[in-house]
Order: sequence, then C-alpha cells, then structure tokens
Amino acid sequence: GAVVSQHPSRVICKSGTSVKIECRSLDFQATTMFWYRQFPKQSLMLMATSNEGSKATYEQGVEKDKFLINHASLTLSTLTVTSAHPEDSSFYICSATTGTGTEAFFGQGTRLTVV
Amino acid sequence: GENVEQHPSTLSVQEGDSAVIKCTYSDSASNYFPWYKQELGKGPQLIIDIRSNVGEKKDQRIAVTLNKTAKHFSLHITETQPEDSAVYFCAASQGSGTYKYIFGTGTRLKVLA
Repeated sequence: GAVVSQHPSRVICKSGTSVKIECRSLDFQATTMFWYRQFPKQSLMLMATSNEGSKATYEQGVEKDKFLINHASLTLSTLTVTSAHPEDSSFYICSATTGTGTEAFFGQGTRLTVV
Repeated sequence: GENVEQHPSTLSVQEGDSAVIKCTYSDSASNYFPWYKQELGKGPQLIIDIRSNVGEKKDQRIAVTLNKTAKHFSLHITETQPEDSAVYFCAASQGSGTYKYIFGTGTRLKVLA
C-alpha cells in the first residue's frame, strides 16, 4: 500500500516556541491531506483539510493562526503549531489521499509534548 | 454534520473467540465506511472498508457488514489472536479518500491468551 511518512515522530518543545510537523506521501501524489489531533485514549479529531496549492479548510473550533497548514506540493504538507503551550501537547496524525476515490493513508503520528 | 457512535468502548475476548464492534452513523449521505486498527503510539492502519452499494465484505478473519437503512455497520473478527489486541476505529465519509472522515470513539480490544 501507499506510504505516508510523518516527521518527527516525537518532539518536545518549550512553551512559547513553534513546532513544525511534516507529512510526506512517499510513493504517490497526494491531492488532499488531512490533519488530526488525538488525545490519550480518545478518537481522532479532524483539524483541517488541505488541498495542494490552496488554503486549508479548518474545522470549527480550530484556530487557523495557531495551527498553520501549508500544502506546498503534491507530496508534502506541514503543520506548524505556533506559540505552543502545554495544552497543545497531543498526538498529531496526518492522512493523504490520491484524489481518485481510493482510501486515505495515515502517517505514523507525531507526539508533541510542550513543557 | 455527521456523527458516528461506536460500541463497546472496551472488549475482552478469549483467544479463538469472535469479536464484534458496532457503529452507527447519522448522515444518510455517507457512503464509505473504513475500519482502522491503531496500536499504541502508532497511526491508524486500514484493515477493511465497505461502500454503500455492498452489504457485506470479508477478508480472511475480518468481515464488515453494512445496513444502510438502519445506518449501522459492524466489524467482525473471527478466531481472534493476541496480536489482534489494539484499538479499533470505525469511520464514515461521503466519498472515500478525498472526503473527510468522521471517526467513532474507538474500541479497545483485548484478546486473552
């Protein structure tokens, strides 16, 4: 199956700093990528949908200025958590789709800890 | 918007027994229903999916059934093994990969050896 790679897998940052998470589709072109957030023992909550070359669509309640998403190419989307605070600590997961009506493929996730 | 409910939240079965996880959805426009397995600290992995024009799909020990009228779908795992222990999520979508997924709340399955 298609492979989606996230980097880093774990990151610890100080409160007030910004962190960038990368999501790459390794063997296919991803026209659409999704970013999710998952708290411990909870489900995946969709944060935003990004299409290559256009602005991301954020779900209700997600601050677009805090969670900056850039889908600059057909193989790369980035999520930047700006001015991170401890409450932003979470597991962030991306998924990507080819746009041809097939399944979405998930990355392995990034565990962010803000101290 | 779409709302997906999943039951049970935890499930323990003896090795070799069957496990059944059920989901209901609210939006009749949803027509694609994938199931994911998530192991600790990892991203979800697709294990099986079903589209609305099919009532049942099977892949070895795993099967999914869909009742569009009642808006519910179920995951069936037969002959469970310890390595089946994980968290399972159902999801609903109005397309397939191109449309956003709404996930269920998850079921923690424990297979006892």
